[in-house]
Amino acid sequence: EAGVAQSPRYKIIEKRQSVAFWCNPISGHATLYWYQQILGQGPKLLIQFQNNGVVDDSQLPKDRFSAERLKGVDSTLKIQPAKLEDSAVYLCASSHGQLNEKLFFGSGTQLSVL
Amino acid sequence: GQQLNQSPQSMFIQEGEDVSMNCTSSSIFNTWLWYKQDPGEGPVLLIALYKAGELTSNGRLTAQFGITRKDSFLNISASIPSDVGIYFCAGFNFNKFYFGSGTKLNVKP
Repeated sequence: EAGVAQSPRYKIIEKRQSVAFWCNPISGHATLYWYQQILGQGPKLLIQFQNNGVVDDSQLPKDRFSAERLKGVDSTLKIQPAKLEDSAVYLCASSHGQLNEKLFFGSGTQLSVL
Repeated sequence: GQQLNQSPQSMFIQEGEDVSMNCTSSSIFNTWLWYKQDPGEGPVLLIALYKAGELTSNGRLTAQFGITRKDSFLNISASIPSDVGIYFCAGFNFNKFYFGSGTKLNVKP
């Protein structure tokens, strides 16, 4: 079974530029999550989708971050414009949304904002 | 949000030693998960626990779901150099996952 796919693995941009990350969850997983992980910390939820609807985006900085999951499968996360403090690893994860939940992560995108 | 307190923050052990780490919360969870994260990679699921008191093993790893449903621990027996990494606990409740801040494990050969 294929895991959660993410791209790119690394991205270096200058502040005020824009960047986009892509995620393809495990086949059949209804719930998709984007997390931000700053060095030395646990993952912090940015946005959670159930199929193509947003369940929780309370921690998403909506003035600069946006995300979509139009067909209920893959998803993109965009930052525009980027700030220095956005330097982090962006993790995509998915779960099947049923009893006895398990959360599976992709390899992440390491973003450096200079 | 619900906070998970994970301890210790870091550990330095000798190869062959056993390791124990735990996660506590003031809130009740229905599911506890344990992950390992290597540098430059996403967290990898090690063990999932679904019932209070449940004890589950995965090779040299053993994890338990606390009876109060507010805590969990992870044991690693006979550590080896490839056990190096950061271990995260996660609790699941009301359709959300909450993460601890991680235990960084260092193993000296």
